[in-house]
Amino acid sequence: GAGVSQTPSNKVTEKGKYVELRCDPISGHTALYWYRQSLGQGPEFLIYFQGTGAADDSGLPNDRFFAVRPEGSVSTLKIQRTERGDSAVYLCASSPGTSGGGANVLTFGAGSRLTVL
Amino acid sequence: RKEVEQDPGPFNVPEGATVAFNCTYSNSASQSFFWYRQDCRKEPKLLMSVYSSGNEDGRFTAQLNRASQYISLLIRDSKLSDSATYLCAVKTAGNKLTFGGGTRVLVKP
Repeated sequence: GAGVSQTPSNKVTEKGKYVELRCDPISGHTALYWYRQSLGQGPEFLIYFQGTGAADDSGLPNDRFFAVRPEGSVSTLKIQRTERGDSAVYLCASSPGTSGGGANVLTFGAGSRLTVL
Repeated sequence: RKEVEQDPGPFNVPEGATVAFNCTYSNSASQSFFWYRQDCRKEPKLLMSVYSSGNEDGRFTAQLNRASQYISLLIRDSKLSDSATYLCAVKTAGNKLTFGGGTRVLVKP
């Protein structure tokens, strides 16, 4: 697609429920990132994929968070047993991911706003 | 200490004035540096990459000081439309990009 697409744009759920957030990156981008942003804060790194594999998942806060990218394109961020503290905007970004000046230039999606009641 | 730190501001800037602010990073092995702009309730968008020799894009000038481990952004002739949060981003190990907390700039008539 022309840009990074994220669905849903808004998700309201109850504490303890399971949530999936989807990201469709720019066509041909091999690198895909997930970030979480709370109000007044900068984006907090969660996980980065290069192709199908998670190259760096050091930002996932605990084992309730998991992300997959089975075919190297669309990615899903999964959150189990949601807690109120998980409420944030979840941003997905993609980049060409190859060497060269543009390799690390991220293009972000509009985000998925998650509210846990 | 956070990996990437920014003064949260806000920087209140008269229209037409110049404003500059810094971003410090803790990892001396950091390789690439960027400034992103984020409007309220929108996603971050790349403003400019920061090169070792410094670079300019219109009214925006970015500088890198490796010795003191900071990057800077200067905005000349500020416009009302420059009001936004400016995020610095630093590439460390692998391709992980770490963002600062952002500096809020408010340009007023």
